[in-house]
Amino acid sequence: DTEVTQTPKHLVMGMTNKKSLKCEQHMGHRAMYWYKQKAKKPPELMFVYSYEKLSINESVPSRFSPECPNSSLLNLHLHALQPEDSALYLCASSQAWAAQETQYFGPGTRLLVL
Amino acid sequence: KQEVTQIPAALSVPEGENLVLNCSFTDSAIYNLQWFRQDPGKGLTSLLLIQSSQREQTSGRLNASLDKSSGRSTLYIAASQPGDSATYLCAPETGGSYIPTFGRGTSLIVHP
Repeated sequence: DTEVTQTPKHLVMGMTNKKSLKCEQHMGHRAMYWYKQKAKKPPELMFVYSYEKLSINESVPSRFSPECPNSSLLNLHLHALQPEDSALYLCASSQAWAAQETQYFGPGTRLLVL
Repeated sequence: KQEVTQIPAALSVPEGENLVLNCSFTDSAIYNLQWFRQDPGKGLTSLLLIQSSQREQTSGRLNASLDKSSGRSTLYIAASQPGDSATYLCAPETGGSYIPTFGRGTSLIVHP
């Protein structure tokens, strides 16, 4: 199984809503990542989890709250988002947070904030 | 800070052509460089990973070369097919961060 799954595929939310994005992998990977990608732009790193601990937070606003409940799951909790947060949110995993490790990406969640 | 430039930004070719996609990066102290493919509105698929000690990697019709000292990588696509239509992203991983820095990509259309 070399797949990273993400749910939901699409999400529309208002600025006062609370929602969560979910990412799952069963490859035994110990590093997981959240990226944000705006249209026609490259992915931008948001968070890195290594062995279920937050290792990197790229100065992401607190309205995005990551959670890694176990080694297979990564959540991104969303609250009080702004329209400019509309984007494709990509999850990835790798064997470890280390050099020369291929990252495997999920299909993404397309988020629209109204 | 690592900066990655991909040329051309867009490419439209007839089926069967051999293609060259270019990537340049400013910080040559990289651990590896990956080439990804992204279909519209979808996630990324890793195509090739070249370690810093390697000069090239091949997978089927794809060949990627790396000249670390000059900060350049090239992706060759042989005998292009309509199914190759996608955006191709170059991502060097800078030493110490273990995080790839993505270029803006080359948007490729191969028409029958």
